[in-house]
Amino acid sequence: AQSVTQPDIHITVSEGASLELRCNYSYGATPYLFWYVQSPGQGLQLLLKYFSGDTLVQGIKGFEAEFKRSQSSFNLRKPSVHWSDAAEYFCAVDFYNQGGKLIFGQGTELSVKP
Amino acid sequence: GAVVSQHPSRVICKSGTSVKIECRSLDFQATTMFWYRQFPKQSLMLMATSNEGSKATYEQGVEKDKFLINHASLTLSTLTVTSAHPEDSSFYICSARSLASSYNEQFFGPGTRLTVL
Repeated sequence: AQSVTQPDIHITVSEGASLELRCNYSYGATPYLFWYVQSPGQGLQLLLKYFSGDTLVQGIKGFEAEFKRSQSSFNLRKPSVHWSDAAEYFCAVDFYNQGGKLIFGQGTELSVKP
Repeated sequence: GAVVSQHPSRVICKSGTSVKIECRSLDFQATTMFWYRQFPKQSLMLMATSNEGSKATYEQGVEKDKFLINHASLTLSTLTVTSAHPEDSSFYICSARSLASSYNEQFFGPGTRLTVL
């Protein structure tokens, strides 16, 4: 079955430190890949997306993600975390043989230490 | 552009009553809208796919008679939780897929917090 895995349920980093959130998916072909951020009680905000082309994609708020086909991964990175980045982060995959449905990872909760 | 609204943002109802949640694409047309459910500290689970002018497609385990979905126009889909019970309390989020997007990108609404007493 197609699945999306975010291995880290909770990550804590110090403000100013770098960040990497992991995302792996199961499938043979290259799907469409997304990262969303959700603040408590709020909807989802799209950080970035990958459809094709350059495997390093830039998003909003200083985030970037790299698609690695050989590892079926799409990890999210930020070189310097701000306190306002504390939130829940979701990786989502459109396997595009599923009628446009998104499959979400379990989410990673990010805490930022001052 | 690509804004999706939901109404209401919060609703509290008594057990046994029905609640309707609206999802609107404000500045684009959407042939397809999706309804998700999110429990506290959990991920989004797709409930159903709503296509304009046709019946919704429900995911396995979702009761279609309990969660009625109507997609009457290219900008509006509604989710009605019938005979709500406390276990239906959750955060409901809709998304809409733009006709103009060649990559089937979905745009998400802000969510509706349902509390059933």
